[in-house]
Amino acid sequence: SAVISQKPSRDICQRGTSLTIQCQVDSQVTMMFWYRQQPGQSLTLIATANQGSEATYESGFVIDKFPISRPNLTFSTLTVSNMSPEDSSIYLCSVEKLGGGIYGYTFGSGTRLTVV
Amino acid sequence: AQTVTQSQPEMSVQEAETVTLSCTYDTSESDYYLFWYKQPPSRQMILVIRQEAYKQQNATENRFSVNFQKAAKSFSLKISDSQLGDAAMYFCAYRSYTGNQFYFGTGTSLTVIP
Repeated sequence: SAVISQKPSRDICQRGTSLTIQCQVDSQVTMMFWYRQQPGQSLTLIATANQGSEATYESGFVIDKFPISRPNLTFSTLTVSNMSPEDSSIYLCSVEKLGGGIYGYTFGSGTRLTVV
Repeated sequence: AQTVTQSQPEMSVQEAETVTLSCTYDTSESDYYLFWYKQPPSRQMILVIRQEAYKQQNATENRFSVNFQKAAKSFSLKISDSQLGDAAMYFCAYRSYTGNQFYFGTGTSLTVIP
């Protein structure tokens, strides 16, 4: 399976600022997914990032708040914009390896964001 | 949308004993995948076991096995010979056969007592 490096692992940010989270994969992947895990909660899909096209956002998430880049098949970023304390969560990226199949689903170790 | 329900927020088990975590789901699809993921304090989501809905045989991975009841839409995880390293949050997840999104349950926190 793919190996994912997610940075930063944690950060404490001021209200109103923005944070960009990076997700680097050691091999080419077709689809990358960004999830949010609020304190004590399960994972909720924010958006799906495909290389060469706009990200697809789930209900309740918008591009202005969570802009995503996918410049190539091994890298993606998620920006949390104009942050408020409600954005305090763990953010995880997940990838599907090229060739499809369920065996390639892997998660990064997450970014713990605290907004003060 | 599909829903995944884990009715046990917390469970505990004595080391070396067996524990079963419950999961039910709701779907109108006939083909899909089910997963159990483990999330230790490190936050890394680790795939424990997966089951294809078209397979009648229950999946097994060493000490981990599932009881898949398709008609009842039930997918429980059995951990045998529990070890201290099994302590973590366990999430049940559903994925459509054709889609890409995972639907996660709310998780079960497992404590292993020495």
